[in-house]
Amino acid sequence: DTGVSQNPRHKITKRGQNVTFRCDPISEHNRLYWYRQTLGQGPEFLTYFQNEAQLEKSRLLSDRFSAERPKGSFSTLEIQRTEQGDSAMYLCASSSAQASGTSTDTQYFGPGTRLTVL
Amino acid sequence: TQLLEQSPQFLSIQEGENLTVYCNSSSVFSSLQWYRQEPGEGPVLLVTVVTGGEVKKLKRLTFQFGDARKDSSLHITAAQPGDTGLYLCAGGGYGQNFVFGPGTRLSVLP
Repeated sequence: DTGVSQNPRHKITKRGQNVTFRCDPISEHNRLYWYRQTLGQGPEFLTYFQNEAQLEKSRLLSDRFSAERPKGSFSTLEIQRTEQGDSAMYLCASSSAQASGTSTDTQYFGPGTRLTVL
Repeated sequence: TQLLEQSPQFLSIQEGENLTVYCNSSSVFSSLQWYRQEPGEGPVLLVTVVTGGEVKKLKRLTFQFGDARKDSSLHITAAQPGDTGLYLCAGGGYGQNFVFGPGTRLSVLP
């Protein structure tokens, strides 16, 4: 188990271009989360998956954003027609949702992908 | 909407001093996590607390979960420059999305 990995670590793109980020969660974890973090702020929830099902999306996730987790393992986050306001750190986290009756659902984060839109 | 507040927002202290940072909410959480984040990196989990009134110790760090599971504190004894970072609390649990506070940025000066 090598933890949560994210690729690329850094991405610089021009406004209007599309970008795609990848997240590989801890192998036995069934939940996967995407967050966005801007400088000086805590992470803001974007969306999460339980296995391959996308269970919730934040209103922060505009139509230009799409996330997939096709086989319930790795996930991709795509941003179409990037804008300068999309510049941020995009974080992925995974957790193992426990069976009913337990309440601990601790999430583990990857190192993030830093996006800069010029 | 569940919100978490953290205080203070910034804290700068000398090496060897003690400090406490706080995480407060009007909502009840089934679990609460504390993370430390360094610039350019993802948050690293320090501890998870799940029981009201629970106290956990991690070397010089002491974490407490409020009795009503709405607030938490992190106390650091004899702070060291290596403790410098952004301390984040996050509330959540099974069936809930995680909500993060804005963080406390700690700077420990040698």
